[in-house]
Amino acid sequence: EAQVTQNPRYLITVTGKKLTVTCSQNMNHEYMSWYRQDPGLGLRQIYYSMNVEVTDKGDVPEGYKVSRKEKRNFPLILESPSPNQTSLYFCASSSATGSETQYFGPGTRLLVL
Amino acid sequence: AQSVSQHNHHVILSEAASLELGCNYSYGGTVNLFWYVQYPGQHLQLLLKYFSGDPLVKGIKGFEAEFIKSKFSFNLRKPSVQWSDTAEYFCAVNLSGTYKYIFGTGTRLKVLA
Repeated sequence: EAQVTQNPRYLITVTGKKLTVTCSQNMNHEYMSWYRQDPGLGLRQIYYSMNVEVTDKGDVPEGYKVSRKEKRNFPLILESPSPNQTSLYFCASSSATGSETQYFGPGTRLLVL
Repeated sequence: AQSVSQHNHHVILSEAASLELGCNYSYGGTVNLFWYVQYPGQHLQLLLKYFSGDPLVKGIKGFEAEFIKSKFSFNLRKPSVQWSDTAEYFCAVNLSGTYKYIFGTGTRLKVLA
């Protein structure tokens, strides 16, 4: 089954404790992206990747890092999480950008205390 | 800065009522336009998209949207809603030639049986 998976689905952590949210797709998509969803703000793009080893900042990249060492994986790293990073995070992938449909993962709900 | 506005944040309708959700974007260049839907407990999924050609596009489950370039709008419509259309709806814009996506804040639709 074609899908985007994320782990963990739920995470409670404390300020400053490094964490990684994994994202994996099995559709051989070149483009992958991370979003955060906050009430009243919709989805905002954090980082995106056009292909292996090629990444760029979205609208809200501060406090986040990403890497794309393999085509299928695109982890999101919070090196020193803060309470304002409490949010619902979505990973998405598509075969290309532009008019192509993005396929979304199930979301990761993060609470930073 | 580019933005996407969804003016209706919460909409409550009875079954069989007609639906129109507004979406306006601020960007003077060429865009690709999307409507995504998130049903309760499910992933975000594509309803429909426009990138060229006929400005009236049809999507899944009887939804359609019309791109009006002069109004920078891409409103979503359905002639007769069902209880199963209860969901959150997001309008999204890709700036053509870029890898960036901008989402609206979403509209929560509740359909009363």
